[in-house]
Amino acid sequence: AQKVTQAQTEISVVEKEDVTLDCVYETRDTTYYLFWYKQPPSGELVFLIRRNSFDEQNEISGRYSWNFQKSTSSFNFTITASQVVDSAVYFCALSETNSGYSTLTFGKGTMLLVSP
Amino acid sequence: ETGVTQTPRHLVMGMTNKKSLKCEQHLGHNAMYWYKQSAKKPLELMFVYNFKEQTENNSVPSRFSPECPNSSHLFLHLHTLQPEDSALYLCASSQRTGGAGGYTFGSGTRLTVV
Repeated sequence: AQKVTQAQTEISVVEKEDVTLDCVYETRDTTYYLFWYKQPPSGELVFLIRRNSFDEQNEISGRYSWNFQKSTSSFNFTITASQVVDSAVYFCALSETNSGYSTLTFGKGTMLLVSP
Repeated sequence: ETGVTQTPRHLVMGMTNKKSLKCEQHLGHNAMYWYKQSAKKPLELMFVYNFKEQTENNSVPSRFSPECPNSSHLFLHLHTLQPEDSALYLCASSQRTGGAGGYTFGSGTRLTVV
């Protein structure tokens, strides 16, 4: 069975600090996708990134960067120079690809509070 | 506008009421999902519909009854709910081709059962 663990329940930082959100996953599939979603107070889940299991290149998008390490089954997310608008709950998720439809398994989420 | 629209945004209902949640997408997706998000718990998959056919029911109590009349609309009919059913109910859609595309989520319906 798939499992996603986000060990950090809540993180508080001051604006402009860098922060890393951890994600560790378990799967028996050789082909899978990993995702990060952001959930602001408004409720919807906003897609941030998708990474497939064969692509271990790290990715940077503005202040966001992701470190995928298959050897440790981790997919960590770093926000550089955090801003108040980054305050939200962040979810890591894992998807199977061997079926006609996808189902996502989510971690419990990490609440990030960025104060001015 | 996320591409997936859920109504109502907020719902308060008594335990003897019957109500329905609605989800609509016009993204051309063929799969639709209901998730439940309770406090302090991971998002729980409830139901999956693929091309209007229910393909997964994740041991959800019968007081939740899904309906998918077409690939653009998904309903969740509620009756005789319990206070512990109070949660954020999220609808999502995806392409049939599976995990590559990820999901598009709606803003959710915040349900309170009194």
